[in-house]
Amino acid sequence: AQTVTQSQPEMSVQEAETVTLSCTYDTSESDYYLFWYKQPPSRQMILVIRQEAYKQQNATENRFSVNFQKAAKSFSLKISDSQLGDAAMYFCASVNGYNNNDMRFGAGTRLTVKP
Amino acid sequence: DGGITQSPKYLFRKEGQNVTLSCEQNLNHDAMYWYRQDPGQGLRLIYYSQIVNDFQKGDIAEGYSVSREKKESFPLTVTSAQKNPTAFYLCASTTTGRARANVLTFGAGSRLTVL
Repeated sequence: AQTVTQSQPEMSVQEAETVTLSCTYDTSESDYYLFWYKQPPSRQMILVIRQEAYKQQNATENRFSVNFQKAAKSFSLKISDSQLGDAAMYFCASVNGYNNNDMRFGAGTRLTVKP
Repeated sequence: DGGITQSPKYLFRKEGQNVTLSCEQNLNHDAMYWYRQDPGQGLRLIYYSQIVNDFQKGDIAEGYSVSREKKESFPLTVTSAQKNPTAFYLCASTTTGRARANVLTFGAGSRLTVL
């Protein structure tokens, strides 16, 4: 079974600065996908970024990028030029490519952005 | 706009009562999911359904029941057998088929409190 670990319950960053959220995962499968989801105070979960394990290139979405280290099973999220609207809970998740119904989530990291 | 509607947003229940949380989607998604979110924990899967009239237990199905009579609807009943039902409940959906590991689309959630 997959497991996802987020070791940082809380993080803070100054507005306009860069912050990195950590995530490690464990899977025995070779085909899997990794995600970062954002949950703002409204509690609506929103996809931030998605990474396919077979792709070596790190995914990017505007100010959001990942550092995918497959051998180390690490999948960190970097937020550049942090904005007040980035304040939220961030969840790392993984899913086995053969089983869409087995998505696993980490415990989350609460990000505070200081003006 | 397409999306997932969950209702009610807040629900209070007395011990011993069953309650039903509604989840409706107009995305034409085949698969639907119910997750439970507790503080300090990631999302945990309660039930999922890939097609109408079929559903499967997730990791924490005890004390819950679901139905899938229509593609658009996937209601969750929290029964009196659920020992600790106070939590935030999230419904999600995605497409199935040849495109694997699709991104989940989430509803805004329902907060259930047992009095």
